[in-house]
Amino acid sequence: TQLLEQSPQFLSIQEGENLTVYCNSSSVFSSLQWYRQEPGEGPVLLVTVVTGGEVKKLKRLTFQFGDARKDSSLHITAAQPGDTGLYLCAGARLGGSNYKLTFGKGTLLTVNP
Amino acid sequence: EAEVAQSPRYKITEKSQAVAFWCDPISGHATLYWYRQILGQGPELLVQFQDESVVDDSQLPKDRFSAERLKGVDSTLKIQPAELGDSAMYLCASSSGQGAITQYFGPGTRLLVL
Repeated sequence: TQLLEQSPQFLSIQEGENLTVYCNSSSVFSSLQWYRQEPGEGPVLLVTVVTGGEVKKLKRLTFQFGDARKDSSLHITAAQPGDTGLYLCAGARLGGSNYKLTFGKGTLLTVNP
Repeated sequence: EAEVAQSPRYKITEKSQAVAFWCDPISGHATLYWYRQILGQGPELLVQFQDESVVDDSQLPKDRFSAERLKGVDSTLKIQPAELGDSAMYLCASSSGQGAITQYFGPGTRLLVL
């Protein structure tokens, strides 16, 4: 069962455009993480959001955690070709004494020069 | 900067053969995870270790997959026999221990079964 739905699945834009990708669930998570993955590499953590309504900024990237801690969004301003990659969201839940991550399928972003 | 190491980076094998993947987590990280990522999908957890003990292997196909972390440091994931459907990226991740949210991923091993 896929608990995290990401949209859109694919996104191709021109350099300089803005974009938003979404991560939605019917379940509540302790926290939500965003990763970027380049072809043939492992995911690299971008940010962790913990508090409902929390907004975090990382240069041109803005991350928001929904008030109910069920959804999140990632907004990129003035996208650059270096932003190209697979963006994955992952929800964390405490299972025993360890957190378990559930990943969405990802949004594959292509930024054309 | 400390990183999770994995080897090999790429592996091509024929079906019914045995394959093994190795992972060395960030030094001092007690929790180690193995994930499988099929093309077009997000990673799915196969097995989780706390030190040398398995804490979750509910999604590990135990008829053909095995994992060990004998000394609580590095880990090996084995598939025997490999099947065509096992072609995927196998990712290892580690975290500092109980209660830690952040997982750090290695570069992965891409497996192709012919």
